[in-house]
Amino acid sequence: KAGVTQTPRYLIKTRGQQVTLSCSPISGHRSVSWYQQTPGQGLQFLFEYFSETQRNKGNFPGRFSGRQFSNSRSEMNVSTLELGDSALYLCASSSLDFGTEAFFGQGTRLTVV
Amino acid sequence: DAKTTQPPSMDCAEGRAANLPCNHSTISGNEYVYWYRQIHSQGPQYIIHGLKNNETNEMASLIITEDRKSSTLILPHATLRDTAVYYCIVRVQYGNKLVFGAGTILRVKS
Repeated sequence: KAGVTQTPRYLIKTRGQQVTLSCSPISGHRSVSWYQQTPGQGLQFLFEYFSETQRNKGNFPGRFSGRQFSNSRSEMNVSTLELGDSALYLCASSSLDFGTEAFFGQGTRLTVV
Repeated sequence: DAKTTQPPSMDCAEGRAANLPCNHSTISGNEYVYWYRQIHSQGPQYIIHGLKNNETNEMASLIITEDRKSSTLILPHATLRDTAVYYCIVRVQYGNKLVFGAGTILRVKS
């Protein structure tokens, strides 16, 4: 079956703009989590959605937001982009409420100039 | 979630077993040990997880000490394709939040 799909793969934005990233989980998976990866901070948890509800949230400013649709697809939005938001954004999906393994997508590489 | 401590890097000869240690001395009774790896610029890949007992799958074995304060991931016959960053994570079973540390860079050399 198809894996986790993230679009777009690469993105270049200008400071002050906003961006929306998309994640399609594995079919049947209801939990979607988002992570930011930078060379300085490593992999950091952003938030998790389960059945359209945000269940966990990491320590990121309110400029970072997300949502999940009834088909489990998820989007994350970053408003008022800063140079420091340049990162690899990863999405992971899990099948169960009590998660076993999480399957990650290939990520979206965001560059803010 | 409990914190983990891993060596920053390790080398292993191709074909030999790679033993990656992880210290999680503050682990709670309901927290699982998970291992993931990340090959350069790809998304992390699940390897194995366990609670108390040792676990084995087609990729690796996980050995957890009796007091659960540490564990070892064993790749029985390392290949060049196993060169990656390996992350040890402890977390409660509920929810799907993973807290990644710095991980161990494993370099498999021919």
